[in-house]
Amino acid sequence: EPEVTQTPSHQVTQMGQEVILRCVPISNHLYFYWYRQILGQKVEFLVSFYNNEISEKSEIFDDQFSVERPDGSNFTLKIRSTKLEDSAMYFCASQLVPGYGYTFGSGTRLTVV
Amino acid sequence: SQQGEEDPQALSIQEGENATMNCSYKTSINNLQWYRQNSGRGLVHLILIRSNEREKHSGRLRVTLDTSKKSSSLLITASRAADTASYFCATVNTGTASKLTFGTGTRLQVTL
Repeated sequence: EPEVTQTPSHQVTQMGQEVILRCVPISNHLYFYWYRQILGQKVEFLVSFYNNEISEKSEIFDDQFSVERPDGSNFTLKIRSTKLEDSAMYFCASQLVPGYGYTFGSGTRLTVV
Repeated sequence: SQQGEEDPQALSIQEGENATMNCSYKTSINNLQWYRQNSGRGLVHLILIRSNEREKHSGRLRVTLDTSKKSSSLLITASRAADTASYFCATVNTGTASKLTFGTGTRLQVTL
């Protein structure tokens, strides 16, 4: 069964450093997402991406965050200057078209120290 | 309460019993989805029910939707130890393209 692949599975970074989280969505899917889950809290929407541009973003997704689909297969989330409160599990997801379920990756656990 | 509240927060049952989880939401929706998460791992899509549907089945899963009460329930029949996980409802709200708004989740423990 097709999978969404995320790397790395765990990243530790120092506060103020830039991190890039990587995702390979399912090849024929058209819609891509990032969500995050702070330990013990709800899964929160960050951003959706379609046709090489952001289609929707949350209040969390401020100027420190950016997304890219640089080569038609990878989908990346960059955090420019990490803060302690960015520590969370970050999930990438892809979707064939709206109205269907998502396929989520296994997540990247980001720890900012 | 917030959009997407599951009830109960935790549920412990024995193998073979049925498990019922409820979800309430506040706004108008396009569809509602249920996901499973094992021990902080990825989310696995279980079932999607559209706003014009009232009930849906998939294997041992049965989902109902009552848009007048803004609530949904997930029933897992004949539970197994492997069903132990957290279960989340998530809504795609009217006026949003496909963004999911997640609930707080129900932690299900199935014991032998």
